[in-house]
Amino acid sequence: ILNVEQSPQSLHVQEGDSTNFTCSFPSSNFYALHWYRWETAKSPEALFVMTLNGDEKKKGRISATLNTKEGYSYLYIKGSQPEDSATYLCAFPGGSEKLVFGKGTKLTVNP
Amino acid sequence: SQTIHQWPATLVQPVGSPLSLECTVEGTSNPNLYWYRQAAGRGLQLLFYSVGIGQISSEVPQNLSASRPQDRQFILSSKKLLLSDSGFYLCAWRVAGGTYTSSYNEQFFGPGTRLTVL
Repeated sequence: ILNVEQSPQSLHVQEGDSTNFTCSFPSSNFYALHWYRWETAKSPEALFVMTLNGDEKKKGRISATLNTKEGYSYLYIKGSQPEDSATYLCAFPGGSEKLVFGKGTKLTVNP
Repeated sequence: SQTIHQWPATLVQPVGSPLSLECTVEGTSNPNLYWYRQAAGRGLQLLFYSVGIGQISSEVPQNLSASRPQDRQFILSSKKLLLSDSGFYLCAWRVAGGTYTSSYNEQFFGPGTRLTVL
């Protein structure tokens, strides 16, 4: 059974703090790693698809890194804002046609 | 542009009643379609996926079934709901062609249905 682990489960930070969380996945047979953001009362939306070891992707204040050899990806948020509050999901291909999602990290940014 | 619709948005049903949730996609052809559920305190669990009309793959044994009667329509059903069927149901699609192990297309999610079984 494919295991995609995310930590921590939840995180509370103050506005302006920088933060990061982790996604761990099987290091063998790597294809790609997907990050999604899921805000309350909205649909999950894609943030990044990461494919290369050492890859770093950035979207505004959010960035992600990838280490395929050791099987982890970090998501960083610089200068957190209340609108960054959401559950951040990572997903790994669990076969040719489907993604296996982690349980997510729920981020709350307090003003 | 592509859009995905789900309805209803919320549903409260008694135990033992039937269920039908519908998902439709516009603006694309022959998409891969997915049904997910998030139960309370749990992660996003894949229930069913479909790569074409009439083709359904079931991921976990359960009280639910899925059907794809048309190219861009995906239906989640149950004959008799259980309390454990409560949760948030999401439909998703991605472009056809390639696979998750050969291409990196993202999934696009619908707005979801909150189902409460009492």
